[in-house]
Amino acid sequence: AQSVTQPDIHITVSEGASLELRCNYSYGATPYLFWYVQSPGQGLQLLLKYFSGDTLVQGIKGFEAEFKRSQSSFNLRKPSVHWSDAAEYFCAVGGGSNYKLTFGKGTLLTVNP
Amino acid sequence: DVKVTQSSRYLVKRTGEKVFLECVQDMDHENMFWYRQDPGLGLRLIYFSYDVKMKEKGDIPEGYSVSREKKERFSLILESASTNQTSMYLCASSSPGSGRRNEQFFGPGTRLTVL
Repeated sequence: AQSVTQPDIHITVSEGASLELRCNYSYGATPYLFWYVQSPGQGLQLLLKYFSGDTLVQGIKGFEAEFKRSQSSFNLRKPSVHWSDAAEYFCAVGGGSNYKLTFGKGTLLTVNP
Repeated sequence: DVKVTQSSRYLVKRTGEKVFLECVQDMDHENMFWYRQDPGLGLRLIYFSYDVKMKEKGDIPEGYSVSREKKERFSLILESASTNQTSMYLCASSSPGSGRRNEQFFGPGTRLTVL
């Protein structure tokens, strides 16, 4: 069975500080990995995805994530956080012939001025 | 850009009413999905469809049904709404193919309240 763990329910950072959101997954084959962002009352927006190849992937809004197969991790990073990054972030895993995308429970990011 | 639209942003219904949530996508995607999102429980898949008139149960199909008569439209039906179906409902779509079917594009959501 596939699963995703986001260990941090809530993270608070200061504007301009660096950010890392953790994601660990369990999947029996080569995973496809995703990060989504959700602003309050909105749908989910795709930030970035990993299918294969370079393990460091770049996304929108200055975000990047690194796939580490040995650690079953796909952590999201941003070098300098902006107040507009305050939102909830979801990591997700899927793959193969499986239509299902399994989501983590999310990490809520608060940005202090 | 892919656009997924949902018929209502907010909806208030009474217990026992039949409720229709509509979702339309404009990218000719084969696959469409319905999720519900609840605090502490995350996103849970209700149903998905990989072709017109085809549907598959997700993790929590009880109390729901779906309809897909046209490729671009996927409807979620609550036959007799109950208060425990108060939730945020999210529709998504994706194109076929390994990897692409998992790259889902979401609508803005419908916040349903059942009184």
